[in-house]
Amino acid sequence: DAKTTQPNSMESNEEEPVHLPCNHSTISGTDYIHWYRQLPSQGPEYVIHGLTSNVNNRMASLAIAEDRKSSTLILHRATLRDAAVYYCILRDNTDKLIFGTGTRLQVFP
Amino acid sequence: NAGVTQTPKFQVLKTGQSMTLQCAQDMNHEYMSWYRQDPGMGLRLIHYSVGAGITDQGEVPNGYNVSRSTTEDFPLRLLSAAPSQTSVYFCASSSTGFAYNEQFFGPGTRLTVL
Repeated sequence: DAKTTQPNSMESNEEEPVHLPCNHSTISGTDYIHWYRQLPSQGPEYVIHGLTSNVNNRMASLAIAEDRKSSTLILHRATLRDAAVYYCILRDNTDKLIFGTGTRLQVFP
Repeated sequence: NAGVTQTPKFQVLKTGQSMTLQCAQDMNHEYMSWYRQDPGMGLRLIHYSVGAGITDQGEVPNGYNVSRSTTEDFPLRLLSAAPSQTSVYFCASSSTGFAYNEQFFGPGTRLTVL
């Protein structure tokens, strides 16, 4: 399975944008880039996914580099409820999700 | 829809005891899986199933058994609990066969083995 590299932690102030980076230099052409987050004491929840083009949904945006070796999850206006661990995961054509250690996002009022 | 449900929420066992963690989903998903999460760590895949009657091992299968007799249920069995199995266990499900499918996670079972 291709690996991802994320910073251990990041901080943001409330209502500011947050850019969470992910490096995946060994990504293959058919791997999808998925982001999940885990709020305290909860199971992970899906945030967004993409293949080649940038993607937007109600929760976040995903910006994918042209060479696909990196991506960035963008929270446009962080709220206290966005404090969580964010996982960047590459999915191949199997169903398995392989989690790394993720980025712990702290949001300050 | 209830989504993915797990029981119990909390459990304390003594070393050597056995128990079954229950997981059920009502979304008619073919794929189901079990993860464990140790403090400060990411989730590690224990076992998974791509449909009724089909199971396979993940990253950390030792000490755990699974079976999949129905689409809805995917129980995880600990035959002889050990302190190293103290962890939070999450069950997940999704449709299968497409790398863009969203996976749905249950709320977790917090297990302590004394």
